[in-house]
Amino acid sequence: QKEVEQNSGPLSVPEGAIASLNCTYSDRGSQSFFWYRQYSGKSPELIMFIYSNGDKEDGRFTAQLNKASQYVSLLIRDSQPSDSATYLCAGGGFGNEKLTFGTGTRLTIIP
Amino acid sequence: GAGVSQSPRYKVAKRGQDVALRCDPISGHVSLFWYQQALGQGPEFLTYFQNEAQLDKSGLPSDRFFAERPEGSVSTLKIQRTQQEDSAVYLCASSLEGNNEQFFGPGTRLTVL
Repeated sequence: QKEVEQNSGPLSVPEGAIASLNCTYSDRGSQSFFWYRQYSGKSPELIMFIYSNGDKEDGRFTAQLNKASQYVSLLIRDSQPSDSATYLCAGGGFGNEKLTFGTGTRLTIIP
Repeated sequence: GAGVSQSPRYKVAKRGQDVALRCDPISGHVSLFWYQQALGQGPEFLTYFQNEAQLDKSGLPSDRFFAERPEGSVSTLKIQRTQQEDSAVYLCASSLEGNNEQFFGPGTRLTVL
């Protein structure tokens, strides 16, 4: 069992709708969580990070963390075709430690 | 400012050849990470440096893989006697001290024939 699990998708969402991406993790020692966006053939780009239980909003993006349920999610509001990419969830400790990535969810926004 | 840079961007090697992949982190970032990403998978951790010290090399898949960062800045990942299963994208990331927000370079795509 991988330490970080994601639904590989593909997930298709109409333009303008809310895209919901989910991730679960098994290591209760994980303290920090990251969402990366990866376009095909490109490297991962950090879009959100969250350390505390609850919600964290940044523009159209909201990250949610529930440590009791070991669950992390990313909501993308007003989805745009440019949001079409693979979204990687990653967990790590506090400070400088390796990140453990899920396999990624491929998101397609349908115009 | 400049981001993480990696070279070469693409490398084709014959099985058995040695390769060296370079990473130049963001200026001021003391932490440097190497990851391996196979097609359709998430990045997998290889090794981690804080300044010149290699603090974690638990992800290196075999003793054919070796990494160094002698002056605490540029790092080199060396793969000896390459095998077909080494074909992947090798990603370098850097972060500030005490901060786990890692920023990735463009990667080196290694193809072993």
